[in-house]
Amino acid sequence: KAGVTQTPRYLIKTRGQQVTLSCSPISGHRSVSWYQQTPGQGLQFLFEYFSETQRNKGNFPGRFSGRQFSNSRSEMNVSTLELGDSALYLCASSIGDREDTEAFFGQGTRLTVV
Amino acid sequence: GENVEQHPSTLSVQEGDSAVIKCTYSDSASNYFPWYKQELGKGPQLIIDIRSNVGEKKDQRIAVTLNKTAKHFSLHITETQPEDSAVYFCAASKWNTDKLIFGTGTRLQVFP
Repeated sequence: KAGVTQTPRYLIKTRGQQVTLSCSPISGHRSVSWYQQTPGQGLQFLFEYFSETQRNKGNFPGRFSGRQFSNSRSEMNVSTLELGDSALYLCASSIGDREDTEAFFGQGTRLTVV
Repeated sequence: GENVEQHPSTLSVQEGDSAVIKCTYSDSASNYFPWYKQELGKGPQLIIDIRSNVGEKKDQRIAVTLNKTAKHFSLHITETQPEDSAVYFCAASKWNTDKLIFGTGTRLQVFP
């Protein structure tokens, strides 16, 4: 069974640009969550999608947005990039059943803003 | 607010010794507590988890204990091996969400 796939693995962008990251969940998983990982702030929750609907949102500015498609694949977008957005962005998928919340992570996308 | 504290931040042990990592959560509504292992250049890997209706769970060399009254949960690794060296994260979530609140991580080094 294939794991969670994130693309691309690495990205370098310039301040002010925008970026789109992609996540393909484990087959059969309907919930996708996104996290930002930095040395200073650790792992912070961005948002969670289930059946194409945002189910939960973390404390990030509106520049961070996401969506989920009918096949459960998800994308997140960051507009007007700032240097502080440099981080490892992780996607996690789970079945989405409230009784089974095991979340499995992808390898992440390393974003560097210069 | 929601918060998970994790200690220690670094832990060095000799191969074969035991390692214990402790976490405390603030939200009494939390009912699911997973532990993740993250190796360099990889995403976090789920290694064990526990739900609030269970006090202890074991899987070979790793075990997790939960004290709901004190809002503490701990990871125990016995007979440590060099390949156990990694950063370990505890996390907590509530029944009605997949949102995980993570601890700050523990860097475990196992020396041969």
